[in-house]
Amino acid sequence: GAGVSQSPRYKVAKRGQDVALRCDPISGHVSLFWYQQALGQGPEFLTYFQNEAQLDKSGLPSDRFFAERPEGSVSTLKIQRTQQEDSAVYLCASSLGLGRSRYNEQFFGPGTRLTVL
Amino acid sequence: AQTVTQSQPEMSVQEAETVTLSCTYDTSESDYYLFWYKQPPSRQMILVIRQEAYKQQNATENRFSVNFQKAAKSFSLKISDSQLGDAAMYFCAYRNRFNFGNEKLTFGTGTRLTIIP
Repeated sequence: GAGVSQSPRYKVAKRGQDVALRCDPISGHVSLFWYQQALGQGPEFLTYFQNEAQLDKSGLPSDRFFAERPEGSVSTLKIQRTQQEDSAVYLCASSLGLGRSRYNEQFFGPGTRLTVL
Repeated sequence: AQTVTQSQPEMSVQEAETVTLSCTYDTSESDYYLFWYKQPPSRQMILVIRQEAYKQQNATENRFSVNFQKAAKSFSLKISDSQLGDAAMYFCAYRNRFNFGNEKLTFGTGTRLTIIP
């Protein structure tokens, strides 16, 4: 597709349920990022992939959060045993990768709004 | 660690007038990028303008320009001839230029801009 897509756009989960959020990056983009945006706040970094390798997961808030990108394209962010504090918009972004473009601009998807009841 | 501060939670401007959004940041690095992103209600984060830290000349993109003061660690956005379509959340963001394996963006908390017809 022409841009980064994410699904679902909205997700409501009961506390304790597991959820999976999908990100389809722009074709050919090597780098993929996940950010968490709480209500009224700026996005905060969760994790970063270069192709299928997860190079930085320092922003994942707990071991309930897990991300993968097995074939270096589509990525899934999984949250186990969801808690109310997990309610946020989860943004995915992709970029060509360092050395492949001057600015390595990140292109963002529309996000998934997760509400945990 | 780098931090980005936006001290104006909300700003408003009359249509066709000029408005300036403020941003300060803290870093020990010497080479980096600064960005302004726009996030409309659709949640899609859109890049407005970028500035390379090693360039003294302020970046401009049509009606958008920045005032980059490296010594003061200040990076403000000026929007001229404000239009109704400019209404959105605006985020200031920082990224290290060459840190391979750590291309993440650090965002401020945002400024909500309202355009008054």
